[in-house]
Amino acid sequence: DVKVTQSSRYLVKRTGEKVFLECVQDMDHENMFWYRQDPGLGLRLIYFSYDVKMKEKGDIPEGYSVSREKKERFSLILESASTNQTSMYLCASTQRGWEGYTFGSGTRLTVV
Amino acid sequence: SQKIEQNSEALNIQEGKTATLTCNYTNYSPAYLQWYRQDPGRGPVFLLLIRENEKEKRKERLKVTFDTTLKQSLFHITASQPADSATYLCAPSGSSNTGKLIFGQGTTLQVKP
Repeated sequence: DVKVTQSSRYLVKRTGEKVFLECVQDMDHENMFWYRQDPGLGLRLIYFSYDVKMKEKGDIPEGYSVSREKKERFSLILESASTNQTSMYLCASTQRGWEGYTFGSGTRLTVV
Repeated sequence: SQKIEQNSEALNIQEGKTATLTCNYTNYSPAYLQWYRQDPGRGPVFLLLIRENEKEKRKERLKVTFDTTLKQSLFHITASQPADSATYLCAPSGSSNTGKLIFGQGTTLQVKP
């Protein structure tokens, strides 16, 4: 069964910490995405990547960076975690931008 | 700017009835429209994709329509079951291989036995 795996299901971090969220897909997909989901705001795109070492800003990139050194892995980095980054983070991948996405199970991050 | 509207109020229906969810979009000319299901605390799961030149698409008890004139998609679940209770998200998309999806906020469906 094809999969997108996010490294942590729940994470608690302190304000100011550098946080790494990892995502791995086993489908050889070109495109990978990071979203955050908050009540009342829906899914919002943070960053995406359509190739190794390529990245594009989404709608809310401030406070985040990403890394894609290998095709199967897309990392989201919170440079200095803040309480307003407490959220559910979802990684997704797809072979072509118009095809259905496969999502991971999500990481619920709490910044205290 | 591009806008996607789904009914934010929960839809409550009786088991066995047909559920109909609406997705409207503005400032958009999508080539495709996708529908996803999301259960609480989980990632969305892809259900169906319909192309702009398709009026209707079916998959088991699911039916999706796509009206590019009205800028609207309807998502139907026939013979609904309590297990269909979830939040359903729509996402119009372009035809680019490197495109990104922007999602509607979703409509929560509650099917009562």
